[in-house]
Amino acid sequence: AQTVTQSQPEMSVQEAETVTLSCTYDTSESDYYLFWYKQPPSRQMILVIRQEAYKQQNATENRFSVNFQKAAKSFSLKISDSQLGDAAMYFCAYRSPPEYRGSQGNLIFGKGTKLSVKP
Amino acid sequence: GAGVSQSPRYKVAKRGQDVALRCDPISGHVSLFWYQQALGQGPEFLTYFQNEAQLDKSGLPSDRFFAERPEGSVSTLKIQRTQQEDSAVYLCASSSLPGQGARYGYTFGSGTRLTVV
Repeated sequence: AQTVTQSQPEMSVQEAETVTLSCTYDTSESDYYLFWYKQPPSRQMILVIRQEAYKQQNATENRFSVNFQKAAKSFSLKISDSQLGDAAMYFCAYRSPPEYRGSQGNLIFGKGTKLSVKP
Repeated sequence: GAGVSQSPRYKVAKRGQDVALRCDPISGHVSLFWYQQALGQGPEFLTYFQNEAQLDKSGLPSDRFFAERPEGSVSTLKIQRTQQEDSAVYLCASSSLPGQGARYGYTFGSGTRLTVV
């Protein structure tokens, strides 16, 4: 079974600086998807960035980028020029492709990292 | 609708009471998931619907949990004889087609926070 581990329960960053959130996962599959979701106090999970395992190029979305190391099964999130609005829980998530062994494509989440942004 | 709507936003139930949680996905979305998020944890998969068909209920923790989506749109998660360990946020997520969630990400609702006292 796949597992996702986020080893940093809490992180803090100064406004305008850069922070990296760690995520490792365990899987025997070769094709899968990885996501970072943001969960503010409103509780709604908001997609930050996604990565397809077969793509070697790291995904980037504006101030957010990932460092995807497939061999090491590592998927870290880098937030540049941190803003106060970035403060939230961040969850790393894994998803099998739906065709794989009948998987319906549900997400497997880590326990999350609480990010604080200091003004 | 414009997003995934869940109701009620908060629910307090006495132990042993039955509860029903509602999810109204984005119109036309085929895939619908329910997740349970305990305090301080990440969401955990409960069940999956493709239209009205419940294709996976392997995450439901006991036979007290039951979910339905009779017309392929609105879904209801029912918990019978609630217990304190059922206290959690229940999240609903949908995507337009099977497989699209991986490409574009699922749309989540804001969840229902259930507290069993």
